[in-house]
Amino acid sequence: EIVLTQSPATLSLSPGERATLSCRASQSVSSYLAWYQQKPGQAPRLLIYDASNRATGIPARFSGSGSGTDFTLTISSLEPEDFAVYYCQQRFTFGQGTRLEIK
Amino acid sequence: QVQLQQWGAGLLKPSETLSLTCAVYGGSFSGYYWSWIRQPPGKGLEWIGEINHSGSTNYNPSLKSRVTISVDTSKNQFSLKLSSVTAADTAVYYCARERIVVVVAATHNWFDPWGQGTLVTVSS
Repeated sequence: EIVLTQSPATLSLSPGERATLSCRASQSVSSYLAWYQQKPGQAPRLLIYDASNRATGIPARFSGSGSGTDFTLTISSLEPEDFAVYYCQQRFTFGQGTRLEIK
Repeated sequence: QVQLQQWGAGLLKPSETLSLTCAVYGGSFSGYYWSWIRQPPGKGLEWIGEINHSGSTNYNPSLKSRVTISVDTSKNQFSLKLSSVTAADTAVYYCARERIVVVVAATHNWFDPWGQGTLVTVSS
């Protein structure tokens, strides 16, 4: 079973800054990785699928990269609404999440 | 635009059976898999199982002995039953559409959209 490890657990940044979130797989998953955003009291929302494809309606400031075992979600310039928890997912496994909080 | 709306009992006693239903509006029901995913309070996401329009299922091995997912294509609905619940089953339960792509021998998937979630609390 593949294990997904996200880092850091918590990331403290200010609006306008660049955010870089990491997801590492315990074995190669090719480019088959998705990213989700979850705000308090809401269901997760798909941001990125197949490592680098933005889902419908997702702003261009969100981008995904990586292949094999190392993946990155980048938010180029943080907006106030971007502070949330982010999860990566491969098949039926989710990472433990990264909390992006306002510094 | 596809929307998922879910409902079911929110408070159960230990040993009872959890029962939730998810209705799909505004899109095709066939051609996709439909999943249940849960999230204990303050914790991460755990996939429970999936079903397609033909009734083909796949379950998380850790829950398989207690889970049944069924489908009603006449209503574009699918349902989750989890038997013999304990406090450890307390969680927000989500339904979600699963997009699956098969490329050569590899299968990849993602979940979009999700239902609004139902908090199920197990307490005596």
